[in-house]
Amino acid sequence: DQQVKQNSPSLSVQEGRISILNCDYTNSMFDYFLWYKKYPAEGPTFLISISSIKDKNEDGRFTVFLNKSAKHLSLHIVPSQPGDSAVYFCAARIQGAQKLVFGQGTRLTINP
Amino acid sequence: AAGVIQSPRHLIKEKRETATLKCYPIPRHDTVYWYQQGPGQDPQFLISFYEKMQSDKGSIPDRFSAQQFSDYHSELNMSSLELGDSALYFCASSAGGRGNQPQHFGDGTRLSIL
Repeated sequence: DQQVKQNSPSLSVQEGRISILNCDYTNSMFDYFLWYKKYPAEGPTFLISISSIKDKNEDGRFTVFLNKSAKHLSLHIVPSQPGDSAVYFCAARIQGAQKLVFGQGTRLTINP
Repeated sequence: AAGVIQSPRHLIKEKRETATLKCYPIPRHDTVYWYQQGPGQDPQFLISFYEKMQSDKGSIPDRFSAQQFSDYHSELNMSSLELGDSALYFCASSAGGRGNQPQHFGDGTRLSIL
């Protein structure tokens, strides 16, 4: 039972354009959401997070949007840079718990 | 900035052997988490500790145990290893038990069972 789903295994975007990564979830008890970037042979690197009481959080080139009614969140990267090429994981935490539940990941490739 | 340190980076064991994985959290982080990532899969939560007490438990086999020490480092002990235990094991740390603090991950230990 995949509670956090990233339905796009891969995404290719031209350098300088906007990258939009999507994530859907099924558990309404999730109250905290995070995005991680992962390079090969490295651990996930924290990018940005959002609490369920907000609908938007912005940090530099990264913006996360949360639509609670649709149980959907997205990560916008603008402008996209070649160094953004990596696997991106969406993760969620159940209220009162500590564990993170991860999506399957989306491989983002930024083309020059 | 100091990150989460995991050792060893690679470990090769045979079936039925034991293994110990170590994790050193970011300074002043009091919570550690262990995750297992199989090939082509997303990370799966195993167990976490806050202030040296177990704080949450996931799909950790009975053959595995873990603890957090007084200096906040943690060790994952694995016994009677099976072929299916081959995976990447990540440790993460955060400041605070259940607040909205992100978990920061180490680079993992790759465990291979022959």
